Amino acid sequence: EPEVTQTPSHQVTQMGQEVILRCVPISNHLYFYWYRQILGQKVEFLVSFYNNEISEKSEIFDDQFSVERPDGSNFTLKIRSTKLEDSAMYFCASRRIQQADEQFFGPGTRLTVL
Amino acid sequence: GQQVMQIPQYQHVQEGEDFTTYCNSSTTLSNIQWYKQRPGGHPVFLIQLVKSGEVKKQKRLTFQFGEAKKNSSLHITATQTTDVGTYFCAGKSNFGNEKLTFGTGTRLTIIP
Repeated sequence: EPEVTQTPSHQVTQMGQEVILRCVPISNHLYFYWYRQILGQKVEFLVSFYNNEISEKSEIFDDQFSVERPDGSNFTLKIRSTKLEDSAMYFCASRRIQQADEQFFGPGTRLTVL
Repeated sequence: GQQVMQIPQYQHVQEGEDFTTYCNSSTTLSNIQWYKQRPGGHPVFLIQLVKSGEVKKQKRLTFQFGEAKKNSSLHITATQTTDVGTYFCAGKSNFGNEKLTFGTGTRLTIIP
């Protein structure tokens, strides 16, 4: 069964460093998302992406964040200058078509900012 | 902004007992989804409800969407150890929007 994959599974970085989190959505999916989940808390929407552009973003997704689909398969989240409070699990998700309800989540990347 | 709260935050039940989690939104929702997250895992989609007063069943799970489309519930009958995890509701404020606002979650543990 197709699944969303994410790399790395765990990223440790120093405060102020740039990180890129990578995702490979399910191949025939058209809508892509990034969420974050601080340990023990709820899942928070960051951004949605469709047709090679951001369709919606939350107030969390400030100028330090950017997303890109550099080729036909990868979907990346870049954090330009990480802060301690960026430490969280970051989930990528994808959805097939507009009429489809289900978002398929990847296994997540745990980001630790020291 | 929109807030989605769930109660209870934690629920411990004996295996075989029933379980219910309640979800309340500060604003009217266009639809609501339910996800299950196993410990250490990622959210897995369970179901979507769209219509006011809608009720859907999946085996031992019953999902309801309130008449005012501001609340929802998930009821599990005769819990099993495989039901362990955190259950999140997630709502959209408008049909055209992509943003899913997740609830605070209810963590279910089962006492064998």
